[in-house]
Amino acid sequence: AQSVAQPEDQVNVAEGNPLTVKCTYSVSGNPYLFWYVQYPNRGLQFLLKYITGDNLVKGSYGFEAEFNKSQTSFHLKKPSALVSDSALYFCAVRDEGDYKLSFGAGTTVTVRA
Amino acid sequence: EAGVAQSPRYKIIEKRQSVAFWCNPISGHATLYWYQQILGQGPKLLIQFQNNGVVDDSQLPKDRFSAERLKGVDSTLKIQPAKLEDSAVYLCASSYPAGNTIYFGEGSWLTVV
Repeated sequence: AQSVAQPEDQVNVAEGNPLTVKCTYSVSGNPYLFWYVQYPNRGLQFLLKYITGDNLVKGSYGFEAEFNKSQTSFHLKKPSALVSDSALYFCAVRDEGDYKLSFGAGTTVTVRA
Repeated sequence: EAGVAQSPRYKIIEKRQSVAFWCNPISGHATLYWYQQILGQGPKLLIQFQNNGVVDDSQLPKDRFSAERLKGVDSTLKIQPAKLEDSAVYLCASSYPAGNTIYFGEGSWLTVV
């Protein structure tokens, strides 16, 4: 079975400060990992993914994520947060041998001006 | 490139009534998904199609939910009769090929009163 944990329901940061959204996962085989963002009354937008290769993945809107196999983590980061980054962020995982994508419960990010 | 199209965006119905949601995936995407997202939770897969065949409907409440993708392109999700707990966002998504990045539509927001 596969699962995702986002340990923080909310993250609050000041604009211009670094932003980190945490994610840990559990799969039987090799993980395929994804981050999505959801703005109010909108669908999910794809940010980035890790399939294989470099552990540091760069995505849309200046976001990046680091895959850490030993810690089974895939934390989302942004060096300098913007007020417009305020949204709901979802981490998702699927096992290499499975098609089903499992989502975490989401983390609400609030960036204050 | 056009994204995943969904309609209607918002629907309010009384319990025991029926509702149908329509989805048109990204052109060329053979795999289509319907997810249910209840407020405060991550999306949960209801059903996955590969072309016009069902790959996984294990979490679809088949006594009240049905979905079809007759020509392997657009899809309809129906709920009949609706219950209060069906209030959620119904997200359609597509990918090519199955298991790669999944792209979501804007969602259909259902309120059952």
